[in-house]
Amino acid sequence: QVQLVESGGDLVKPGGSLRLSCAASGFTFSDYYMSWIRQAPGKGLEWLSYISGSSSAIYYADSVKGRFTISRDNAKNSLYLQMNSLRAEDTAVYYCARANYGLDVWGQGTTVTVSS
Amino acid sequence: EIVLTQSPGTLSLSPGERATLSCRASQSVSSSYLAWYQQKPGQAPRFLIYGASSRATGIPDRFSGSGSGTDFTLTISRLEPEDFAVYYCQQYGSSPWTFGQGTKVEIK
Repeated sequence: QVQLVESGGDLVKPGGSLRLSCAASGFTFSDYYMSWIRQAPGKGLEWLSYISGSSSAIYYADSVKGRFTISRDNAKNSLYLQMNSLRAEDTAVYYCARANYGLDVWGQGTTVTVSS
Repeated sequence: EIVLTQSPGTLSLSPGERATLSCRASQSVSSSYLAWYQQKPGQAPRFLIYGASSRATGIPDRFSGSGSGTDFTLTISRLEPEDFAVYYCQQYGSSPWTFGQGTKVEIK
């Protein structure tokens, strides 16, 4: 079945770095745009970034531009989010999602906590 | 950036009642690329509606979406106990993609 599984969430100090991964299965990964979305504790959904199937199109929200980098490895059916210069306000559950006229498949999320 | 404003913030209704949720965009949403999601506590969002009015696979027909341009609506015709949740709209017609702040549908 179609599935996305995130990993890599952890407790990290302010200014630190972390790399999130999202493993896809059950569909032709390279055919789809993919996206990252986060949700801070008790808050709403915040869209962060998308990447096209060939990685030729990438876009970021202003809140993470210059600090976060999205990438993918179609041979490994994997999506990544490299997060640098982390701040307390980056504390959230991070979701990956498949973009298909909306975000039609979501992972279960991975938790990132930024705290000293 | 297109800002999406959802109203009301909270909707208090009883099972069997009709729920009407609004999503207003700060500028026209291209090609009605507007989606709706449902989220329950501790769960990932669930895809409900795309293209403003098309139901996603497996979504009951009590959920319907309508609207175009800057004004969109999600209607739940008769609330079932499992429908009490938070609902988000999202536009994917122009970058950056954006979400509304959510509407909580709670049991009255």
